Amino acid sequence: AQSVTQLDSQVPVFEEAPVELRCNYSSSVSVYLFWYVQYPNQGLQLLLKYLSGSTLVKGINGFEAEFNKSQTSFHLRKPSVHISDTAEYFCAVLNSGGYQKVTFGTGTKLQVIP
Amino acid sequence: ETGVTQSPTHLIKTRGQQVTLRCSSQSGHNTVSWYQQALGQGPQFIFQYYREEENGRGNFPPRFSGLQFPNYSSELNVNALELDDSALYLCASSLGTGNTIYFGEGSWLTVV
Repeated sequence: AQSVTQLDSQVPVFEEAPVELRCNYSSSVSVYLFWYVQYPNQGLQLLLKYLSGSTLVKGINGFEAEFNKSQTSFHLRKPSVHISDTAEYFCAVLNSGGYQKVTFGTGTKLQVIP
Repeated sequence: ETGVTQSPTHLIKTRGQQVTLRCSSQSGHNTVSWYQQALGQGPQFIFQYYREEENGRGNFPPRFSGLQFPNYSSELNVNALELDDSALYLCASSLGTGNTIYFGEGSWLTVV
């Protein structure tokens, strides 16, 4: 079984400040890792993904994340946030084998304050 | 744009009724999965279809069922609707397993 923990349910941050959204996972097998963003009343948009290779992955809208296997973490970062980044962010894991069951965290609401 | 389209976008049903939600996957994607996202929660895996057969299921009762068609489009059917079925239902497609999953915009179901 696999699980995802997003410790922060809400993160307020001032515009142009840096932000880090934390994600820890648990799995007995190799996993792929994803961050999705969900704007109000919309579906999920893929921000970035880690499948293999470099542990630092860059995504859309200036976001990046670092895979840390020893700490089983995949924290999302942005050096300078914008008002338009206000949304809910979901960390997700997928077993590298078997069927495509993606396990999501409970989400982190990022509130950018002007 | 992910290329995954869902219909309808919003609907209201009465408790006890049945509902069918539809999904057209991204071109060439042969794997479709469905997720339920209740208000304030993360999406929960319902089931997955690969080449027209269900090959994985989450913790949902049998009244949640589905189909995948030869063109890889899919349906989610829910019978005997309950109030707790009110949620956003997300369809996702991918090419086989171990690949990136792309989500549609979802269908908002309200059960009254």
